[in-house]
Amino acid sequence: GEDVEQSLFLSVREGDSSVINCTYTDSSSTYLYWYKQEPGAGLQLLTYIFSNMDMKQDQRLTVLLNKKDKHLSLRIADTQTGDSAIYFCAEESNYQLIWGAGTKLIIKP
Amino acid sequence: GAVVSQHPSWVICKSGTSVKIECRSLDFQATTMFWYRQFPKQSLMLMATSNEGSKATYEQGVEKDKFLINHASLTLSTLTVTSAHPEDSSFYICSAIRQINTGELFFGEGSRLTVL
Repeated sequence: GEDVEQSLFLSVREGDSSVINCTYTDSSSTYLYWYKQEPGAGLQLLTYIFSNMDMKQDQRLTVLLNKKDKHLSLRIADTQTGDSAIYFCAEESNYQLIWGAGTKLIIKP
Repeated sequence: GAVVSQHPSWVICKSGTSVKIECRSLDFQATTMFWYRQFPKQSLMLMATSNEGSKATYEQGVEKDKFLINHASLTLSTLTVTSAHPEDSSFYICSAIRQINTGELFFGEGSRLTVL
């Protein structure tokens, strides 16, 4: 079946850039999403990218899509303590989202 | 702002009671909505696909008599957890397709259920 993989943890220093990576398997995906889940809170849609794009930028967030390698990344510039959360990557497949297990972003002072 | 809204965001109930969670698409009509459950430290698990005006399609292993889904209108789907037990305590999330031809999918904020 379809699969989405991400590293479980990422640790960065405050002020540095964070790059969270994700690989997926469904080459027919139309949209790919990044969601953020803060402790005790619901999912927050951060951004999404249409499959015919290779980059999307929104303030501190940059999404890169390499469709050939089926690789998606989320770059957070100038990482702050408020960015501490679990980041989920998801690919759309037949009107459902196939989710990664989430990457926990840890910010070091 | 949110395009899919869930209510309530947090509910605590006694064991044996039933709880209803609503999922609304705020500015579009959603013929298809999905319900998910998130287990601790795991990603979302799809429970069922809800189509307006017809019976929901449940994923394997999900009890349809336990988790009643009703999609009575193009903007509202409800999930009722019947005779809730502590093991039903979880985070329940819905999503709705905004554009059928492109598969643009938006998620609700989630509803946390705690069964005492």
